[in-house]
Amino acid sequence: AIQMTQSPSSLSASVGDRVTITCRASQGIRNDLVWFQQKPGKAPKLLIYSASILQSGVPSRFSGSGSGTDFTLTISSLQPEDFATYYCLQDYSYPWTFGQGTKVDIK
Amino acid sequence: QVHLVESGGGVVQPGGSLGLSCEGSGFTFSIFAMYWVRQAPGKGLEWVAGVSYDGTNKYYADSVKGRFTISRDDSKNTLYLQMNTLRGEDTAVYYCARARGTVAMGGYWGQGTLVTVSS
Repeated sequence: AIQMTQSPSSLSASVGDRVTITCRASQGIRNDLVWFQQKPGKAPKLLIYSASILQSGVPSRFSGSGSGTDFTLTISSLQPEDFATYYCLQDYSYPWTFGQGTKVDIK
Repeated sequence: QVHLVESGGGVVQPGGSLGLSCEGSGFTFSIFAMYWVRQAPGKGLEWVAGVSYDGTNKYYADSVKGRFTISRDDSKNTLYLQMNTLRGEDTAVYYCARARGTVAMGGYWGQGTLVTVSS
């Protein structure tokens, strides 16, 4: 199975900060990468698919980049509602695999 | 609008069996692949299983292969997960999710159903 290594596992940031989360695949996955946001007790919310395409309704401060093995999720200016846990998922080959998650909390 | 509603969760003893269901509405169920994803308490997300739009292809995580079976009944707009030989590490909230297009992971998820494996 493809391993997805996400970093950091957690970070503390302030409102207005630029935040970057990375995900590395153990082998090339083209651009078949999805980013989710999850808040406690809620189902994950899809933010970005195909590595860089913003899901409809998601604020433009979220962006994704990368292809092959290295991917990045960037939040350009962190807002209070963005404090959550973020996960990457490769949907390139079965079994699909998630990264370990990145918890973003308030500094 | 798209809705996915899981049911069937509960408490089961180790070695036991349980079946989950996920009823979809607001879309043409038969043209989308469907998936199960789980989350153990306080842990991350784990993709569990997937079934193609026509039910002919089924895929599983290594951790559940041979114990879990995914299936679908398009006449009932329902996805199933039959879980056998359950272990403590199968304790989790189980979510169903719809594909985006024919295969890729989509943004429509159910609210989840909790499965607890305990004696």
